[in-house]
Amino acid sequence: QLQLQESGPGLVKPSETLSLTCTVSGGSISSSSYYWGWIRQPPGKGLEWIGSIYYSGSTYYNPSLKSRVTISVDTSKNQFSLKLSSVTAADTAVYYCARHDEWELPGDYWGQGTLVTVSS
Amino acid sequence: QSVLTQPPSASGTPGQRVTISCSGSSSNIGSNTVNWYQQLPGTAPKLLIYSNNQRPSGVPDRFSGSKSGTSASLAISGLQSEDEADYYCAAWDDSLNGSVVFGGGTKLTVL
Repeated sequence: QLQLQESGPGLVKPSETLSLTCTVSGGSISSSSYYWGWIRQPPGKGLEWIGSIYYSGSTYYNPSLKSRVTISVDTSKNQFSLKLSSVTAADTAVYYCARHDEWELPGDYWGQGTLVTVSS
Repeated sequence: QSVLTQPPSASGTPGQRVTISCSGSSSNIGSNTVNWYQQLPGTAPKLLIYSNNQRPSGVPDRFSGSKSGTSASLAISGLQSEDEADYYCAAWDDSLNGSVVFGGGTKLTVL
């Protein structure tokens, strides 16, 4: 059974860079034809897609976040990562990683989510 | 404002049928498939419907999806108390090099 697990600091200072990693177990990132992505949800609000990556390194990003986002993949560790620069309080959210389906949408495998708070 | 438009709330009594709409445009729903997700409080979203009207294994057939033009709908029949949750639609958007767009979510209350 495929499992995804987010990890990283739960507190980030304003103007700094938020860094999270998603570790995939029960399957290989590079053995399947799927994109792997990040989605976030501010407290009490809806879902916002951040971006996705293929094991080859090909990426898609949310246009509204593109200037601050970098998603990378490490196939040797079966992980993919998110970096969001110049964070503000508006970036406080639960961050989820998920495997995307063949239609490029988040599919049936999600991490449990990790809360990242931006505060000094 | 979300790219896809959903009603913020919906409600029904046990046993009823409720529908939740998701309105988009030609660059997203009009030309790509729609997924629906159910999110119970404090948990990660769960895939409910994929490719407009397909149910993953384990999802009851009380849940169904449809799409017409630039709109999609999620229907829940035989409403149960455990269906009380937030529901989100999502689609790929072909504009600006491509991205995933979500609806703002609909809070379903079982009265």
